[in-house]
Amino acid sequence: SQTIHQWPATLVQPVGSPLSLECTVEGTSNPNLYWYRQAAGRGLQLLFYSVGIGQISSEVPQNLSASRPQDRQFILSSKKLLLSDSGFYLCASASGYGVEQYFGPGTRLTVT
Amino acid sequence: RKEVEQDPGPFNVPEGATVAFNCTYSNSASQSFFWYRQDCRKEPKLLMSVYSSGNEDGRFTAQLNRASQYISLLIRDSKLSDSATYLCVVNSLRNSGYALNFGKGTSLLVTP
Repeated sequence: SQTIHQWPATLVQPVGSPLSLECTVEGTSNPNLYWYRQAAGRGLQLLFYSVGIGQISSEVPQNLSASRPQDRQFILSSKKLLLSDSGFYLCASASGYGVEQYFGPGTRLTVT
Repeated sequence: RKEVEQDPGPFNVPEGATVAFNCTYSNSASQSFFWYRQDCRKEPKLLMSVYSSGNEDGRFTAQLNRASQYISLLIRDSKLSDSATYLCVVNSLRNSGYALNFGKGTSLLVTP
């Protein structure tokens, strides 16, 4: 079975600072990878997904970006954080489209 | 119309009660359906897939009505440990293929 690792678990960053969140996956090859954000009291918002190395699709316009430098590594970045970037960031992995996804433990980001 | 709609609750039920959650979806072409469970400040975890013929896993029963675009989850003999938010999930077409679309969740609190 696959395991998804995310770090850090929590992060407090000032407005305007850069961001880098990392997600790695074990136990599977060539997964579809996803970044979601869940704001307080809100549903999951899909930010990015990737079907392979270097392939990134963005779902919503924002000041975030994603990269997939290796098959089982997915990175979420920002050059300058906004207050509205606060939330619970979740990485997910799936063996294909439209099938069940498995989530990492998440990173709770607070922008101050 | 939102792609996946759920009653947010909260549903407060006593231990041992039977509780049912409903969900509607807007995309008639959707092919995959799931229920996830999310505990407070944790990642969502797959509870069960939902099949056209309906399926049961212990105390949990899921039903799908494609004609009405309606999904349900029934929990029998509720336990305190069932307290969580239950997310209805449906696949939907994105730019490069199908991806999962999460409802905002229904909150359940089981009381002694």
